[in-house]
Parts: sequence; C-alpha cells; structure tokens
Amino acid sequence: SQQGEEDPQALSIQEGENATMNCSYKTSINNLQWYRQNSGRGLVHLILIRSNEREKHSGRLRVTLDTSKKSSSLLITASRAADTASYFCATDAGDNDMRFGAGTRLTVKP
Amino acid sequence: NAGVMQNPRHLVRRRGQEARLRCSPMKGHSHVYWYRQLPEEGLKFMVYLQKENIIDESGMPKERFSAEFPKEGPSILRIQQVVRGDSAAYFCASSSAGGGLNEQFFGPGTRLTVL
Repeated sequence: SQQGEEDPQALSIQEGENATMNCSYKTSINNLQWYRQNSGRGLVHLILIRSNEREKHSGRLRVTLDTSKKSSSLLITASRAADTASYFCATDAGDNDMRFGAGTRLTVKP
Repeated sequence: NAGVMQNPRHLVRRRGQEARLRCSPMKGHSHVYWYRQLPEEGLKFMVYLQKENIIDESGMPKERFSAEFPKEGPSILRIQQVVRGDSAAYFCASSSAGGGLNEQFFGPGTRLTVL
C-alpha cells in the first residue's frame, strides 16, 4: 500500500547545495526508513530511524524524526549529480505492512 | 482494480524444506521486484524481473534462491533448503512497462518463518 506524503514532489538544485525532503505519516510507527530509487531500478535502503530516535546520520545524509508531528526529514548535504533519483520514506508499524510515500524526485544539476 | 497480491501471507517451513512465494503484479504491470526485510531492518533489494527475463539479480544470494516471472502466472521466489536465517518478510513490488520513477506498488508481503 502507498501511504504517507512527501514534499516537495519534485526538487531541483545545483550541485553542492543541500537538499531537504520531508515526509509525513498518519499512524504510530516502530521505525521510519528512507529509500532511494534510480530510474527503472529497485529501491535502495538508505537509513532507518527508530521511533525513540530523533536524529540519525550516515555520511552526507541526515534524518530527523518528530513523532509528535508524525513527520521526518531527509537532508542530503553537498549534493552531487549522482544523487539525482527519487527518494521515498516508508513507515513500519510492526504489522508486516510497509507504507510508502509517493516520493520526491530530486534533480541535481552539475 | 486489485493491487499487488502476494501469497501466502504467512509461511512456516522446517529447515531443509523448500519455500515458494508468489507475487501477482497489478494488472498491466510487467516488471516485478523482490525485497527481503529482516526484523527491525529496511527492505533489501533482491531481484528485478520482467516477463520471462531476469534484469538484475545483484541482491540475490548465489545459492538456494531463485526467481522467475513466466509469461503466464505469478512471479515466484523459490528458496531451497531453507535455513533459520531465511526467516524474514518478503515483499514484491510491480511497475508498469517503462519502469519510471515513483511507480512501484508494493504487495502486503509474505512472512516466512523457518523452524
């Protein structure tokens, strides 16, 4: 099932700039995950943040989670052309039902 | 218009048995992706298939695992001689011909438990 909302739907930036994508959801969750998808390929898992965590870092990625607002953000710092892809958030409520947002299409111009 | 169907939803196997997981894509979709999710972890890509062809199996273990998507019928993920470490949720997703961005639709998953 596809649920949750991401904004913006599309984002275009210059190489070197930071990109911020947001995700909102409706239900209580165990964890939230961010994925990346290049055109015509499968999803690639980027980072998982648990419901008791507020922030997590992985390389140039920073994820925040605000369970009171039911929202998360993904920040990509110092973007590169190779970061061009779609980015999805997915929530896991522990019920074997992954819920994905519609995604943000990021374009990084060289 | 039914979404992506997976069956069974729950599958229990003893070590050494075979597990067969089925995925029926959405109507009109000819691309199927399989993912594995271990508890408290994200989805990990396994294999990407189009009708009768394996496009990308870079995430598939080299032994015991195989996948097919025949001309007729569902896509099958087969795990031979299952071991306890195979216990996981297996999700499939489908997309329409062309496989662009933002258009993967996920099934409800099959939870495999190996005793």
